[in-house]
Amino acid sequence: GNSVTQMEGPVTLSEEAFLTINCTYTATGYPSLFWYVQYPGEGLQLLLKATKADDKGSNKGFEATYRKETTSFHLEKGSVQVSDSAVYFCALITGANSKLTFGKGITLSVRP
Amino acid sequence: NAGVTQTPKFQVLKTGQSMTLQCAQDMNHEYMSWYRQDPGMGLRLIHYSVGAGITDQGEVPNGYNVSRSTTEDFPLRLLSAAPSQTSVYFCASSYSRGWNTEAFFGQGTRLTVV
Repeated sequence: GNSVTQMEGPVTLSEEAFLTINCTYTATGYPSLFWYVQYPGEGLQLLLKATKADDKGSNKGFEATYRKETTSFHLEKGSVQVSDSAVYFCALITGANSKLTFGKGITLSVRP
Repeated sequence: NAGVTQTPKFQVLKTGQSMTLQCAQDMNHEYMSWYRQDPGMGLRLIHYSVGAGITDQGEVPNGYNVSRSTTEDFPLRLLSAAPSQTSVYFCASSYSRGWNTEAFFGQGTRLTVV
């Protein structure tokens, strides 16, 4: 079956620090990969996605590259802001039924 | 365009009570699903539907029922609420067009069972 593994959290960084959140996956078939973000008290929003190998998704200064050889989709941002404090979920979809498989999520706190 | 609408946003139930969480989408998506979010567990799939009249179980279906009589609506029923069902529930709808796929989420329902 499909699974997504995210690094353990929580993560606390100072403003303007570099961020990396690791995500690896196992999947049957050829998945599409996603990062979703959940701000406090809100639902999940799509942050970025990549649908094929070597694609780079990017949004709001965040980037992630679909690495098929290492089955990874690590999230990076060069300079985090306090407003980036949220829970981040890595996820994948395979097949025709569009079922999302999520990682456990990681809480990011950015202090001024 | 409202996207995915969930109601209610908050609910407190007594053990043994039943209730229905509502979910509606206006994007004409074929796929809809229900997840629960618990601390340290991420999001776990309860039930999903690939179209009107078709539903299937996810990872944690026990204690929940669903139906999909229309493309727009996908209600989740708790038959006899238990404290273990205290959680935040999210409904999602999604499309798949070849390589292009994306899921949209509602704002969530925070349910407490006492």
